[in-house]
Amino acid sequence: GAVVSQHPSWVICKSGTSVKIECRSLDFQATTMFWYRQFPKQSLMLMATSNEGSKATYEQGVEKDKFLINHASLTLSTLTVTSAHPEDSSFYICSARDMTGINNQPQHFGDGTRLSIL
Amino acid sequence: RKEVEQDPGPFNVPEGATVAFNCTYSNSASQSFFWYRQDCRKEPKLLMSVYSSGNEDGRFTAQLNRASQYISLLIRDSKLSDSATYLCVVNIVPNFGNEKLTFGTGTRLTIIP
Repeated sequence: GAVVSQHPSWVICKSGTSVKIECRSLDFQATTMFWYRQFPKQSLMLMATSNEGSKATYEQGVEKDKFLINHASLTLSTLTVTSAHPEDSSFYICSARDMTGINNQPQHFGDGTRLSIL
Repeated sequence: RKEVEQDPGPFNVPEGATVAFNCTYSNSASQSFFWYRQDCRKEPKLLMSVYSSGNEDGRFTAQLNRASQYISLLIRDSKLSDSATYLCVVNIVPNFGNEKLTFGTGTRLTIIP
């Protein structure tokens, strides 16, 4: 079945550091990938939709200059948290959906990246 | 009103019991529906898609009522391994623009030995 890989799974770094998170679709091509953030005891919130070969679409309240998204190939999207601060500490998760074949296939999630900014 | 509403729980039930989760959604343009489970500090994993005709997968039964904008999940003969947070998820796929998954806050389930 569809598999999405996310790396790294855990990051601890100092305030002011920029952190890049990778999301890969392993056995299918994903023209669209999705980036979510989940704070403790809260639901997943969509941050942005990453489109291969074009600009990402950001949800309201998400700073595009803070969270840089690049979707350079059909199997890779990256999220860079620039100049991260403690309030950016969260669980970041990507997802993708295999758009071929059956309609309305579910999205599959990466393992998530737990980001802790000191 | 939240786009997807669930009872947050927690539900603490004895092993072997039957558990029912309910979910309502507000956007009538929602097109596909899913239940995911999320274990503590892990990513969501698909449990099952939900179809209008209702569908069953082993001990799990999902129902969708589009008229009422209501989704349910029933777990029979619950196991200790069923302990998790269950997320109700709806997907909107517009004619133009990107699809969007919206998550409920999840219902925490603990199965007691």
